[in-house]
Amino acid sequence: QIQLVQSGPELKKPGESVKISCKASGYTFTDYAMHWVKQVPGKGLKWMGWINTYTGKPTYADDFKGRFVFSLEASASTANLQISNLKNEDTANVFCARGGGTTPFDYWGQGVMVTVSS
Amino acid sequence: DVVLTQTPVSLSVTLGDQASISCRSSQSLEYSDGYTYLEWYLQKPGQSPQLLIYEVSNRFSGVPDRFIGSGSGTDFTLKISRVEPEDLGVYYCFQATHDPWTFGGGTKLELK
Repeated sequence: QIQLVQSGPELKKPGESVKISCKASGYTFTDYAMHWVKQVPGKGLKWMGWINTYTGKPTYADDFKGRFVFSLEASASTANLQISNLKNEDTANVFCARGGGTTPFDYWGQGVMVTVSS
Repeated sequence: DVVLTQTPVSLSVTLGDQASISCRSSQSLEYSDGYTYLEWYLQKPGQSPQLLIYEVSNRFSGVPDRFIGSGSGTDFTLKISRVEPEDLGVYYCFQATHDPWTFGGGTKLELK
């Protein structure tokens, strides 16, 4: 069955970096883009951007340009999100989701809680 | 950026009632290919969002037929007939027509 399994919760200090992963299984990884969605606790959903899993080309929403990097380990069917120079406002649950554009987000990871606190 | 405005923000219902959620867009969501990339997601407490409806009115696999999406252009509606306990949570509309893609603010469906 199709699954997106994300890495575990992270507790970081301001200024540190974090890398979270999203491992796909049950389908051909390069057939679908991978998207990232942020949710601050108690708030709504915000689309962060996506990565073309065939070419590796990332696209970032404006609020996520600069400190955010989408990458792939295609041989491991894994998409990664690295956030550098963490700020308190990066505290959020971050989801990966398959699809996008002409294909809706039909499968989601379980989410990774990233907490930034001194 | 396209702004999706959902109303109401919260909706209290009795089990078995019908519920209706509106999603209004600041721009037409019809893409140049003729399709309208407006989707609905439900996020149950403590869970990831799940896809209900895509391209305005197409139910995703396994979604009960009591969920009905409709609309065009800038005005869209999700109707849930005969609300059941497993329908409770926060509903989000989402558009993938205009970059950047955007979510509505959410509508919380709860019991009266």
